[in-house]
Amino acid sequence: GAGVSQSPRYKVTKRGQDVALRCDPISGHVSLYWYRQALGQGPEFLTYFNYEAQQDKSGLPNDRFSAERPEGSISTLTIQRTEQRDSAMYRCASSLGPPTDTQYFGPGTRLTVL
Amino acid sequence: AQSVTQPDIHITVSEGASLELRCNYSYGATPYLFWYVQSPGQGLQLLLKYFSGDTLVQGIKGFEAEFKRSQSSFNLRKPSVHWSDAAEYFCAVGAWSSASKIIFGSGTRLSIRP
Repeated sequence: GAGVSQSPRYKVTKRGQDVALRCDPISGHVSLYWYRQALGQGPEFLTYFNYEAQQDKSGLPNDRFSAERPEGSISTLTIQRTEQRDSAMYRCASSLGPPTDTQYFGPGTRLTVL
Repeated sequence: AQSVTQPDIHITVSEGASLELRCNYSYGATPYLFWYVQSPGQGLQLLLKYFSGDTLVQGIKGFEAEFKRSQSSFNLRKPSVHWSDAAEYFCAVGAWSSASKIIFGSGTRLSIRP
């Protein structure tokens, strides 16, 4: 596609439910990143993929958070047993090659946990 | 560990006036540095980036930034702002040693006075 797309754009869920957030990177982009952005803050790094390999997951806050990119294209960020503190904007970005390449961000998924 | 400080939470300037947004970073070696802009409801867009070489970097939309190693700063400037520049601006730093992780500042919100 023309840019990074994310779905859903908005997700409201009840505490304790699992959610899956999808990212479709720019075609041909090797690197994919997930960030979380709280209101009034900058994006916070969660995890990074190079093709299908998860190279860095040091930013995932706990084991309720996981991500995959099984075919090196679309990625899913899954949050199990959601808590209210998980409410935030979740952003995906992709880049053509190494992490030093320009990252192109998607519009984000606004997650609200009630 | 690297970190980024944007000391100004909110700045208001008159249309046509000059602009300087401050950014200070903390990192032991040569970082690579970015400025992103986020308009309401939009994803982040890269304005400019510095990896090496000339310390004065030109970006899109008439923005420029200067890397000053001695001051650990990477301030963003524009000689004459337009009403369409109203947005949130984020400075970010990456480390060559952990190239996948980019650390963002908390942002500066720019308002334009007619």
